[in-house]
Amino acid sequence: GAVVSQHPSWVICKSGTSVKIECRSLDFQATTMFWYRQFPKQSLMLMATSNEGSKATYEQGVEKDKFLINHASLTLSTLTVTSAHPEDSSFYICSARGLSETGELFFGEGSRLTVL
Amino acid sequence: KQEVTQIPAALSVPEGENLVLNCSFTDSAIYNLQWFRQDPGKGLTSLLLIQSSQREQTSGRLNASLDKSSGRSTLYIAASQPGDSATYLCAVDPHKLSFGAGTTVTVRA
Repeated sequence: GAVVSQHPSWVICKSGTSVKIECRSLDFQATTMFWYRQFPKQSLMLMATSNEGSKATYEQGVEKDKFLINHASLTLSTLTVTSAHPEDSSFYICSARGLSETGELFFGEGSRLTVL
Repeated sequence: KQEVTQIPAALSVPEGENLVLNCSFTDSAIYNLQWFRQDPGKGLTSLLLIQSSQREQTSGRLNASLDKSSGRSTLYIAASQPGDSATYLCAVDPHKLSFGAGTTVTVRA
């Protein structure tokens, strides 16, 4: 299957700093990418949908200014957690939808963010 | 709004036993349904994708069925192995995935 790479896999930062997480589709062009957040022992919560070359669509309750999403190319989307606080600590996962008619989604390995 | 439910939440079986994982969804107007596996602290690995026009998909020891009219999908794992221990998530898609909470499977050696 297609490969989606996420980086970094884990990051620790101080409260008030910003952290950028990258999501890359390695062997296919992704017209749409999704960003999820997962709390311990819970399922994935969709945060936003990003389409290449346009603004991201955020889910209700997700702060646009807190979680900046950029999808500048067909192979890269970034999530920037701005002015991070301990409550932003979580597991963030991206997924990418290729161009096949099945619409199958491929997921990255996830990024563990810990804000001190 | 699509609601996806997975039963049971957890399952522990001895090695060799067959696994049956259930997924139900409230809105039958789906594009496809995917089953994923998630190991602790890791991302999701796609196991099977069933398009709305299909009734089942098979891959090795895995078989997934889909009944859109009743809003159900079942994932069967034959002859379970300790390596099958993980959390299994189902997700339905029109346009963006709606996930169930998952079934955590433990296969005892």
